Amino acid sequence: DQQVKQNSPSLSVQEGRISILNCDYTNSMFDYFLWYKKYPAEGPTFLISISSIKDKNEDGRFTVFLNKSAKHLSLHIVPSQPGDSAVYFCAASGGRGLTGGGNKLTFGTGTQLKVEL
Amino acid sequence: NAGVMQNPRHLVRRRGQEARLRCSPMKGHSHVYWYRQLPEEGLKFMVYLQKENIIDESGMPKERFSAEFPKEGPSILRIQQVVRGDSAAYFCASSPLRTGTGANSPLHFGNGTRLTVT
Repeated sequence: DQQVKQNSPSLSVQEGRISILNCDYTNSMFDYFLWYKKYPAEGPTFLISISSIKDKNEDGRFTVFLNKSAKHLSLHIVPSQPGDSAVYFCAASGGRGLTGGGNKLTFGTGTQLKVEL
Repeated sequence: NAGVMQNPRHLVRRRGQEARLRCSPMKGHSHVYWYRQLPEEGLKFMVYLQKENIIDESGMPKERFSAEFPKEGPSILRIQQVVRGDSAAYFCASSPLRTGTGANSPLHFGNGTRLTVT
């Protein structure tokens, strides 16, 4: 049962344009959402997060939008740069229904972003 | 650099051998999480530990896998009698405290141990 879904395995964008990565979730108990970036042979690196009480969070070139009614979030990167080429994972946590609480994260399968010159 | 340290980076084991993966959390972090990434998949939660306590092991396979986080030393993920299906990247992450619902302290991940079972 995939509770966090990233339906696009890959995305190719030209340098300077906007990259939009999408994520859907099914568990309405999730109340905190994160995006991680991962380079080959490295661990995931935290990028940006959003609490369910907000619908937008912005940090420099990165903005995350949350649509709770649609159980959908997206990550916008603008302008995209070649160094942004990586796999992006959407993750979710929270909810008293999850064993142990804490920072247990449920990850999507990732989207490979390629920013071309 | 006081990040999450995992060793070894690469581990090759023959079927039936034991694999031990080590994780030292970031300085000041007392909570450790282990995740596994199979090829072409996302990271899957395995276990969440505090010092000397297993808090949540709901993602651990019921047999052959165990984890500990002793009072002194790193956290250890142990896989006994490895099989080819155990081949994966194993990531450890740490956080400073249990933040509960609406966590605002993101996990910090190590660079992982890539286990290959031949």
